[in-house]
Amino acid sequence: DVKVTQSSRYLVKRTGEKVFLECVQDMDHENMFWYRQDPGLGLRLIYFSYDVKMKEKGDIPEGYSVSREKKERFSLILESASTNQTSMYLCASSYRDRGLGSYEQYFGPGTRLTVT
Amino acid sequence: GQSLEQPSEVTAVEGAIVQINCTYQTSGFYGLSWYQQHDGGAPTFLSYNALDGLEETGRFSSFLSRSDSYGYLLLQELQMKDSASYFCAVRVGGYQKVTFGTGTKLQVIP
Repeated sequence: DVKVTQSSRYLVKRTGEKVFLECVQDMDHENMFWYRQDPGLGLRLIYFSYDVKMKEKGDIPEGYSVSREKKERFSLILESASTNQTSMYLCASSYRDRGLGSYEQYFGPGTRLTVT
Repeated sequence: GQSLEQPSEVTAVEGAIVQINCTYQTSGFYGLSWYQQHDGGAPTFLSYNALDGLEETGRFSSFLSRSDSYGYLLLQELQMKDSASYFCAVRVGGYQKVTFGTGTKLQVIP
């Protein structure tokens, strides 16, 4: 049974704090992704990684950084949390395919982050 | 950049058929995916179309027209458990990077 886990289901942090969200997958996937989901805005890609130590900016990377030191683990870092980063954060992983196929993304349960 | 349009809400009767449309404007299009998300749950993959035509998986089918930049998800024999949000997503580059639409909330009523 494939599994993507996230470190916390709910998290409350104060403005200015450094926040770490961790994601672990057990499927040996090359690709890992961080999204945030807000009502009416769908899922927006923050960063993704296609290999260890490799990262690419998504559509909304400002205010975020990521780290991938091991294949199974992808961390999202909020250097200085702000109230507009209050959101649901979803991690996903997939196999890497260089053709026209699309390997499905498997999502974790999400972390609901509240910044006060 | 990429943009996707899908209706925000759809209501349908149990046992009926419903079609959720998705139009997109992208560069470097590879294919169109569909995901289902129940309230409080994680998105789960439903289908992927890279070529024009209809793909069927049980009660769900997905269609793509690359020339029209359009696709749809067709749900047949609707069940109450199909009440969920449905997202279309376009693959626009290598490494399976996708851009998601804003989602369609489907409500199935008795």
